[in-house]
Amino acid sequence: NAGVMQNPRHLVRRRGQEARLRCSPVKGHSHVYWYRQLPEEGLKFMVYLQKENIIDESGMPKERFSAEFPKEGPSILRIQQVVRGDSAAYFCASSLTGLLNEQFFGPGTRLTVL
Amino acid sequence: DQQVKQNSPSLSVQEGRISILNCDYTNSMFDYFLWYKKYPAEGPTFLISISSIKDKNEDGRFTVFLNKSAKHLSLHIVPSQPGDSAVYFCAASGTKTGNQFYFGTGTSLTVIP
Repeated sequence: NAGVMQNPRHLVRRRGQEARLRCSPVKGHSHVYWYRQLPEEGLKFMVYLQKENIIDESGMPKERFSAEFPKEGPSILRIQQVVRGDSAAYFCASSLTGLLNEQFFGPGTRLTVL
Repeated sequence: DQQVKQNSPSLSVQEGRISILNCDYTNSMFDYFLWYKKYPAEGPTFLISISSIKDKNEDGRFTVFLNKSAKHLSLHIVPSQPGDSAVYFCAASGTKTGNQFYFGTGTSLTVIP
């Protein structure tokens, strides 16, 4: 049962380093969404990608954050020059059709910035 | 700007009784609502949904009620079971609000055996 896979599950970085979070969607799914959950908050949408294209990045900070979903391989959320405020759980979800009610979530990556 | 709010961070209920989780929203453009359940160290899993054309949707022990005039929805679980202990998130979306869900902050439900 190959659901959404995320790795690493836990990532520790020092301030100023780069963080790369990977998401492998359900096989056959071409729609990927990234969410961030800060402590004591709900999940907040960051970006929606569909194979090689960014469809909506309205929730992603303008600086230091980028996302890609290449033709081959997992989707990558990249955070450059991490700061303590980036510490959060990052969840990826995938969908076959792009319909919001059919998103399957991965287990998340917990990023800790020291 | 928290457009979806869950004002009760936690709830404890005896096994066999009813659990009622509440959610309020502010954006009248939302027309689709979902509840997700999340266990520790796992991602959210879809539980039940309701569109704005309905005021109730039932699936086994889970029922979601929608009151559009009050911009309020609730999830009823009856009878509650220990395995229901988890964090429950409500989420909302709209055909005119973009490609995303707006999530509440979650309610941690504990069902006491």
